[in-house]
Amino acid sequence: DSGVTQTPKHLITATGQRVTLRCSPRSGDLSVYWYQQSLDQGLQFLIQYYNGEERAKGNILERFSAQQFPDLHSELNLSSLELGDSALYFCASSGTPEFGTTNEKLFFGSGTQLSVL
Amino acid sequence: DAKTTQPTSMDCAEGRAANLPCNHSTISGNEYVYWYRQIHSQGPQYIIHGLKNNETNEMASLIITEDRKSSTLILPHATLRDTAVYYCIVRRTGANSKLTFGKGITLSVRP
Repeated sequence: DSGVTQTPKHLITATGQRVTLRCSPRSGDLSVYWYQQSLDQGLQFLIQYYNGEERAKGNILERFSAQQFPDLHSELNLSSLELGDSALYFCASSGTPEFGTTNEKLFFGSGTQLSVL
Repeated sequence: DAKTTQPTSMDCAEGRAANLPCNHSTISGNEYVYWYRQIHSQGPQYIIHGLKNNETNEMASLIITEDRKSSTLILPHATLRDTAVYYCIVRRTGANSKLTFGKGITLSVRP
C-alpha cells in the first residue's frame, strides 16, 4: 500500500459527460502528480501541484483541469468526454518536501479506470 | 531530460538474478537514473535511483557505468511477483523536472 488513495476505482460514463477523479496524497506529502495511461500512449504526465499551486504541466488537454485543495487532496476534472479518454488515471504524491530534489520519489495510487462509452 | 533505450522484453528463471539493461547515452551531468516498475495495471512503484555511484537497497541494485551512458538494474533473486514492466528513467533535478515514462521492459519470471 503506497498510502495514496484514489477514488473511485472504476468509472463508466458516456461521451460528452463530465467526471471528477479524486486523490488523497500520503500524509505530509505536498506534491501531487496526475498521469494518464492508455494502451497506445503509455504513461503520460498530465500535471503537477505543489502545496496548492500548479507547478508543471504535461500533455493535459484543455478539456481537463485539476486543482489541489488546502487539505492537499487533489481532483482531476475531465469534461466533454470522448471515447479516447478511456484510460487508467494515476495520482502520485512526492515523498520529499520540495519538488525536483535529488531524492524525490513518487508514490502512486492504484488508479481510476475510466471507461467512456 | 535524456532519452532511454530498453529492450522490449526479457525473462529469467525464478530464484536467479535478473539483470535489466538501460542505455542513456545522452545523459548529462545533473541527470539521475531512476527505475520504477509496474505490476499489471497497478500504480508504478519506485525501485531505486542513482547519479554515478552504484546503489543498493532492499529491492535491487543499480549499476551505472563509469561514463554514465548505461546502467543495469539487478534483482538478485527474482520471484514470480517480480513479473512486471520495468521503466528506466533519466531525470534532471530542479524545478519543473518531470518523471517521463517510456515503454519500459517487460520482465517475465518463469517458475
